[in-house]
Amino acid sequence: AQSVTQLGSHVSVSEGALVLLRCNYSSSVPPYLFWYVQYPNQGLQLLLKYTSAATLVKGINGFEAEFKKSETSFHLTKPSAHMSDAAEYFCAVSEWGSQGNLIFGKGTKLSVKP
Amino acid sequence: KAGVTQTPRYLIKTRGQQVTLSCSPISGHRSVSWYQQTPGQGLQFLFEYFSETQRNKGNFPGRFSGRQFSNSRSEMNVSTLELGDSALYLCASSQGTSGLDEQYFGPGTRLTVT
Repeated sequence: AQSVTQLGSHVSVSEGALVLLRCNYSSSVPPYLFWYVQYPNQGLQLLLKYTSAATLVKGINGFEAEFKKSETSFHLTKPSAHMSDAAEYFCAVSEWGSQGNLIFGKGTKLSVKP
Repeated sequence: KAGVTQTPRYLIKTRGQQVTLSCSPISGHRSVSWYQQTPGQGLQFLFEYFSETQRNKGNFPGRFSGRQFSNSRSEMNVSTLELGDSALYLCASSQGTSGLDEQYFGPGTRLTVT
């Protein structure tokens, strides 16, 4: 069965610093890959998704992620953190042919220091 | 376009009782998925309905059930509540035609079992 590992349950960066949130998936066959963000007391919002059209995926709010098949990774980055980026971030996978069933990582809580 | 709505937003129940949660998807979406979010287990997939049929099911006991109506609205029911059922229950809707379809999440129902 598919699994997703997010390294680091908490990440703290200074405002303006690089954000790097790590995600590794378990399948030898690249699944569909997603990053979601959750702000306090809210549902999840899609940041970006990997569609196999390009290995570097650009999302909303200046985030991007790079798919690396050799490393089974899909790390999320943002060049310059903003205070409003403080939230919890989830990496998720969906297997081929499995609609509506997302397998989530445990999440990484991002704190941004002024 | 209205987003995914969930009712009620907060609920307090006693052990042994049952509860029904409701989810109204985005207009035109035919798939509704349900997830349980807890601090310990993270986000876990419960089940997914598409055109009134359960299409996928997670690894939860039979006390957790759901249904979908002809207008795509969905309900989930938990019978014989246990303390461990305390969680945020999220529903998400999508077109449901591909694993790449974006899932749009509602704000969730916070269930507390005492």
